[in-house]
Amino acid sequence: DAKTTQPTSMDCAEGRAANLPCNHSTISGNEYVYWYRQIHSQGPQYIIHGLKNNETNEMASLIITEDRKSSTLILPHATLRDTAVYYCIASPPYSSASKIIFGSGTRLSIRP
Amino acid sequence: EAGVAQSPRYKIIEKRQSVAFWCNPISGHATLYWYQQILGQGPKLLIQFQNNGVVDDSQLPKDRFSAERLKGVDSTLKIQPAKLEDSAVYLCASSLGMGQGYNEQFFGPGTRLTVL
Repeated sequence: DAKTTQPTSMDCAEGRAANLPCNHSTISGNEYVYWYRQIHSQGPQYIIHGLKNNETNEMASLIITEDRKSSTLILPHATLRDTAVYYCIASPPYSSASKIIFGSGTRLSIRP
Repeated sequence: EAGVAQSPRYKIIEKRQSVAFWCNPISGHATLYWYQQILGQGPKLLIQFQNNGVVDDSQLPKDRFSAERLKGVDSTLKIQPAKLEDSAVYLCASSLGMGQGYNEQFFGPGTRLTVL
């Protein structure tokens, strides 16, 4: 599985867009980019995933560069409840042997 | 839809004692995972089951850790004997399996283990 690189920490003002970058320069052609987040004292929560195209759901948007070497998770209107550790992961399509390997993630703090 | 259930939520034991954790995945989810999360780090996969078979246990310290998933539904993770460095949160997750195409995992709340 490709290694990903994320900033250790970021902060954002409440109500503004939070843009979380991720580098995955060694990503393979069939590997998805996944984003999970972990709020304090909870288990990780799936946010979104993408392969080549940009994706949007009710939680966030995922922008993947054309060369697929980096991506950005966008929380359009950050709230205090978005304070969490965000993990960017590159992993092949699901198979019985596929796994999600978590790094250290980005600690996002939303300030009032 | 009920989420992934884990028990107990907290456990405090002394080193060299034994402990067991229980996980009930989301109904119909074929794949079950156990992770260990040490404070300040991301979760580390210990073992992965597909139905009742082990797919990956390469990171499981087999001299002291064991896990089973009888009947392909709920699962237990055991540590015997515990060491101080086993203090961590143990997370259980499940995913639908092959029919989904991508790997969306659903996590339980975890069991926080403290070894004294």
